[in-house]
Amino acid sequence: QKEVEQNSGPLSVPEGAIASLNCTYSDRVSQSFFWYRQYSGKSPELIMSIYSNGDKEDGRFTAQLNKASQYVSLLIRDSQPSDSATYLCAVNNDYKLSFGAGTTVTVRA
Amino acid sequence: EAGVAQSPRYKIIEKRQSVAFWCNPISGHATLYWYQQILGQGPKLLIQFQNNGVVDDSQLPKDRFSAERLKGVDSTLKIQPAKLEDSAVYLCASSSAGGNTIYFGEGSWLTVV
Repeated sequence: QKEVEQNSGPLSVPEGAIASLNCTYSDRVSQSFFWYRQYSGKSPELIMSIYSNGDKEDGRFTAQLNKASQYVSLLIRDSQPSDSATYLCAVNNDYKLSFGAGTTVTVRA
Repeated sequence: EAGVAQSPRYKIIEKRQSVAFWCNPISGHATLYWYQQILGQGPKLLIQFQNNGVVDDSQLPKDRFSAERLKGVDSTLKIQPAKLEDSAVYLCASSSAGGNTIYFGEGSWLTVV
């Protein structure tokens, strides 16, 4: 079982819609969870971090964490063409960051 | 604040040749990471340093890869001899001691032909 798994995608959404990205992780003791955005040919850029159960909102982004289900998600509201990128879920265990394979999102104008 | 610096940005070598990548982390960051990202995959941790000591190198192919971080600042990742499957982006990242947020450099793109 992979440490971090993401829905495979690609995900295509119309402009203005909500994009929903999912991630599960295998290590129950994980405490820190991150979403990185990676544009084609660029390095990953941190967009959200979440540490406790529930929702965390930042602008058009909402991260949701459920530790009992070992599940973390990212919602992108009012999707824009500039949101077209690969989104990487990352989980921190003992300061080692493990990444999922990423979900590629395309926002159609 | 200056970000994580890496060089060279791009390198093309033939298989069995050697290559070295350099990284300068964000000033004051004690922890330095080297990740390998193959096209279509997420980054995979190769080695993690805390100051100039190795914290984790469990996924570093030690028969061909080596890394050092002299004086706890800059780091160099070397591959010798390179194989075709080493074609990837090598991402250097850093974080403050005990910090949760990891910042990435622009990456060094390696193509082995």
